[in-house]
Amino acid sequence: NAGVTQTPKFRILKIGQSMTLQCTQDMNHNYMYWYRQDPGMGLKLIYYSVGAGITDKGEVPNGYNVSRSTTEDFPLRLELAAPSQTSVYFCASSLRGEAEQYFGPGTRLTVT
Amino acid sequence: AQKVTQAQTEISVVEKEDVTLDCVYETRDTTYYLFWYKQPPSGELVFLIRRNSFDEQNEISGRYSWNFQKSTSSFNFTITASQVVDSAVYFCALSERDRGSTLGRLYFGRGTQLTVWP
Repeated sequence: NAGVTQTPKFRILKIGQSMTLQCTQDMNHNYMYWYRQDPGMGLKLIYYSVGAGITDKGEVPNGYNVSRSTTEDFPLRLELAAPSQTSVYFCASSLRGEAEQYFGPGTRLTVT
Repeated sequence: AQKVTQAQTEISVVEKEDVTLDCVYETRDTTYYLFWYKQPPSGELVFLIRRNSFDEQNEISGRYSWNFQKSTSSFNFTITASQVVDSAVYFCALSERDRGSTLGRLYFGRGTQLTVWP
């Protein structure tokens, strides 16, 4: 039981490039989330999904897109990377909306 | 306005001291949930506890204890006899219904960096 896995662990992008952060969970959770963590700022919700085919914006969605075609996978797409997107990205999942969330190990992204 | 305030940015203690991490939250919901997460230097986020708004009983788990007081909107976390391995950033979080839906969005505080010196 791997829990929540994320790839890659690290990535450096040039301004204007695009990439997809992968997230997979094997706990059969319906709810999945993407957060970004900036130094000293806690975590902010980017997008979330309550089930396959259903996604919605969180607090800071601009510059990102998501899709949820299966229960297990919830990829996050960055289009036209900007330096403001330099951050650590965490994927999480939970059994119910109010249940505890389990987090992946994070992806450290630098945009230069 | 911050929904979750962790006023202590950094705390340093010496091993075996007790330490309390403060968390104050703000919500208009009557049903909500409070959480604590630990982020050690390795970077992962580890779930510690979940509390619902109807259960004000204090909870103890080994050296960890939590004090939930609705009257002061606080959910404080105490580590007894701290150890070097407790050094981490600790986040308090609030989950409330998002736009009337069943989803509980997590709002995180900014975290408290705890350093325990040997």
